[in-house]
Amino acid sequence: SAVISQKPSRDICQRGTSLTIQCQVDSQVTMMFWYRQQPGQSLTLIATANQGSEATYESGFVIDKFPISRPNLTFSTLTVSNMSPEDSSIYLCSVEHWVREGLNEQFFGPGTRLTVL
Amino acid sequence: EDKVVQSPLSLVVHEGDTVTLNCSYEVTNFRSLLWYKQEKKAPTFLFMLTSSGIEKKSGRLSSILDKKELFSILNITATQTGDSAVYLCAVERYNFNKFYFGSGTKLNVKP
Repeated sequence: SAVISQKPSRDICQRGTSLTIQCQVDSQVTMMFWYRQQPGQSLTLIATANQGSEATYESGFVIDKFPISRPNLTFSTLTVSNMSPEDSSIYLCSVEHWVREGLNEQFFGPGTRLTVL
Repeated sequence: EDKVVQSPLSLVVHEGDTVTLNCSYEVTNFRSLLWYKQEKKAPTFLFMLTSSGIEKKSGRLSSILDKKELFSILNITATQTGDSAVYLCAVERYNFNKFYFGSGTKLNVKP
């Protein structure tokens, strides 16, 4: 399995500011994903971070609000821009782990707990 | 529209009880179903199921998939307070590399 770390683990921010969350994996992975989990809810996929190309965003999420970088196969960042209290969530990075042909597991980083005042 | 539905939403039991958590799905091009345990922030992987009728087992936890009826169950026997967590079910589609998550079942095991 892959070992995933995220920074920061938590932060409290003022509205209108931006925060960049880093995700580091201990091995090269093709697919990296960013999820949001709002209080009391399940995980919602924000975007898929592709190395060497732009991220693919899910419905309801846009690049201007959640710019993503993927400079190499072990690292990605998610920025939450112009934050509002509604952005208060846990943000999770995850990666696919190849099991065998046609089969992948998914592992999660420890998450970043963001509170926007 | 693809969806994953878990039930019950929450459950309170006492130590030693056996619980069954349900996950039903409507996802085209099904590839696999995964169960996760989430205690604080990050979900931790429990099982991945791809074939019907084959039980996966790990200690007191077991899970099985029914691809005909489109559901899976997660059983926990002889529950302990350390089993208290949210249990998430996720389904992966072929060729999309995306996982659709259910809302989770919040399990509270009382001493």
